[in-house]
Amino acid sequence: GENVEQHPSTLSVQEGDSAVIKCTYSDSASNYFPWYKQELGKGPQLIIDIRSNVGEKKDQRIAVTLNKTAKHFSLHITETQPEDSAVYFCAASKGSNDYKLSFGAGTTVTVRA
Amino acid sequence: DVKVTQSSRYLVKRTGEKVFLECVQDMDHENMFWYRQDPGLGLRLIYFSYDVKMKEKGDIPEGYSVSREKKERFSLILESASTNQTSMYLCASRLAGRETQYFGPGTRLLVL
Repeated sequence: GENVEQHPSTLSVQEGDSAVIKCTYSDSASNYFPWYKQELGKGPQLIIDIRSNVGEKKDQRIAVTLNKTAKHFSLHITETQPEDSAVYFCAASKGSNDYKLSFGAGTTVTVRA
Repeated sequence: DVKVTQSSRYLVKRTGEKVFLECVQDMDHENMFWYRQDPGLGLRLIYFSYDVKMKEKGDIPEGYSVSREKKERFSLILESASTNQTSMYLCASRLAGRETQYFGPGTRLLVL
């Protein structure tokens, strides 16, 4: 089955700096890669996703890059703000016909004021 | 907005008790999921339901069962709770044919 590894497990950044979280996946058939953000006391919420036919996607201060050859994808958060403090999960699946999302272990991001 | 609700935010049960966790979604989604979240392990799929009365085992179904009698409701059952089932349980739903899963707020279960 798919195995998704996520690094680092914790990340502390100064407000205004950038944060980068990296994930690798094992199954070359995976073609959908979402990122979820989980704030304290809440369930995970989708913040951005990328499909295998695209190398990069950006939405305001967050961006995701995908390297299919190397089987890794990354989340970039620029100009971090205190509200970016949360746990972030990457995931991989074979698309809408595949019910299974394989999640990484999560990264706890703390933005220092 | 999609809304997924879970019956309890916190639950304390004793070893051997039968435990019911309820999940309700209001968006007419066909697919529903139960995950377990543990530190350092991410989210692991317990069970999945394609549609009413349909269920599929996920990665860690042992010790759990599920029920989907109505489209909007998906129940997770711990037949005989054990201490190693102490965890955060997350329910999710999605429209069939779409990738995005929508999560509930979670139920933190403590088994003593």
